Amino acid sequence: AQKVTQAQTEISVVEKEDVTLDCVYETRDTTYYLFWYKQPPSGELVFLIRRNSFDEQNEISGRYSWNFQKSTSSFNFTITASQVVDSAVYFCALSDFNYGQNFVFGPGTRLSVLP
Amino acid sequence: EAGVVQSPRYKIIEKKQPVAFWCNPISGHNTLYWYLQNLGQGPELLIRYENEEAVDDSQLPKDRFSAERLKGVDSTLKIQPAELGDSAVYLCASSLGPTVEVNTQYFGPGTRLTVL
Repeated sequence: AQKVTQAQTEISVVEKEDVTLDCVYETRDTTYYLFWYKQPPSGELVFLIRRNSFDEQNEISGRYSWNFQKSTSSFNFTITASQVVDSAVYFCALSDFNYGQNFVFGPGTRLSVLP
Repeated sequence: EAGVVQSPRYKIIEKKQPVAFWCNPISGHNTLYWYLQNLGQGPELLIRYENEEAVDDSQLPKDRFSAERLKGVDSTLKIQPAELGDSAVYLCASSLGPTVEVNTQYFGPGTRLTVL
């Protein structure tokens, strides 16, 4: 069975601080996809990134970066120089490789960035 | 490009009443998903459509829940009768297709259901 764990339920930081959101996953598949989504107070989940299990290169997009480590089954997300607009619930998700089925979300981490 | 549209955004009903949610996916997206999101939790898949065919409805409580996507475009999710435990946010998402190259899901704003 596939499972995603986000151990941090809530995190609070002060604006401009860096923050890392942890994601640990379990799967029996050797190939799979990992995702991060952001859910702001408006409620709509916003796609941030998709990473396949073949590619362990870290990725950077502006203030966002992702660290994928297959050896530890982790796909952590770092926000550099956080801003108040980053306040949201962030979800990590896992899907199998062949047909994108078994799309499993973690419980989410609520990030509050204080001014 | 318009995103996934859902209506209504909010619904309050009394238990045992029926309720229906509507979703219009992104144009050209063949795969449509309905999710249930309880407070403080991640979304859980209820049903997945490929065009008009429900290809994964294993998590849909079929005694009271039903869904349809008659023309392979918009979809309706129905609960009859609603129970107190059905209070949650119902999310609709769509993707171009089911295969890994095109399975990134884009979500609508959700319908928040409150059952009294």
